[in-house]
Amino acid sequence: GENVEQHPSTLSVQEGDSAVIKCTYSDSASNYFPWYKQELGKRPQLIIDIRSNVGEKKDQRIAVTLNKTAKHFSLHITETQPEDSAVYFCAAKETGANNLFFGTGTRLTVIP
Amino acid sequence: DTGVSQDPRHKITKRGQNVTFRCDPISEHNRLYWYRQTLGQGPEFLTYFQNEAQLEKSRLLSDRFSAERPKGSFSTLEIQRTEQGDSAMYLCASSLGPRSGGTDTQYFGPGTRLTVL
Repeated sequence: GENVEQHPSTLSVQEGDSAVIKCTYSDSASNYFPWYKQELGKRPQLIIDIRSNVGEKKDQRIAVTLNKTAKHFSLHITETQPEDSAVYFCAAKETGANNLFFGTGTRLTVIP
Repeated sequence: DTGVSQDPRHKITKRGQNVTFRCDPISEHNRLYWYRQTLGQGPEFLTYFQNEAQLEKSRLLSDRFSAERPKGSFSTLEIQRTEQGDSAMYLCASSLGPRSGGTDTQYFGPGTRLTVL
């Protein structure tokens, strides 16, 4: 099955700086890559996703890039704010499969 | 609230007892998933339903676990003879499949936190 690795496990940035979280996947058949934000004690919330026919997608301060050749994808958050502090999970879904394979998460702390 | 809901939010039980959790998906979603999340880890897939049919089960789903979605709407997850290793957050997610006009994006519920003493 798919194996998703995520780095770093913790990340601290000053408010206003950018944050980048990277994930790699093992199965070249994976074609869907969502990112979820999970605040303490709350549900994972989808913040952005990308499909394999696109190399980059942006939504306001959040962007995701995908390199299919290298089998890695990254989350970029610009102009970070304290409310961006949370655990972020990347995930991948194989073509024809139904479930998501998640990374181990990145705890982002934005220092005011 | 039109999101995925789960009940109960917290459950404390003694080892050996049976527990049952409920998930109510987003109303028009035909697909439903159960995941388990332990501290410091990402969610791990347990099982998947399309309408009322259980189409996929992870090897994590031992014989003590059973899930149902009898009318293609809400789902239940039962754990029999609970063990301390079952302590985790049990998350439910739902999606609208592409053949039904959706994008198959999975939306998660708030989870049921199970503690087995």
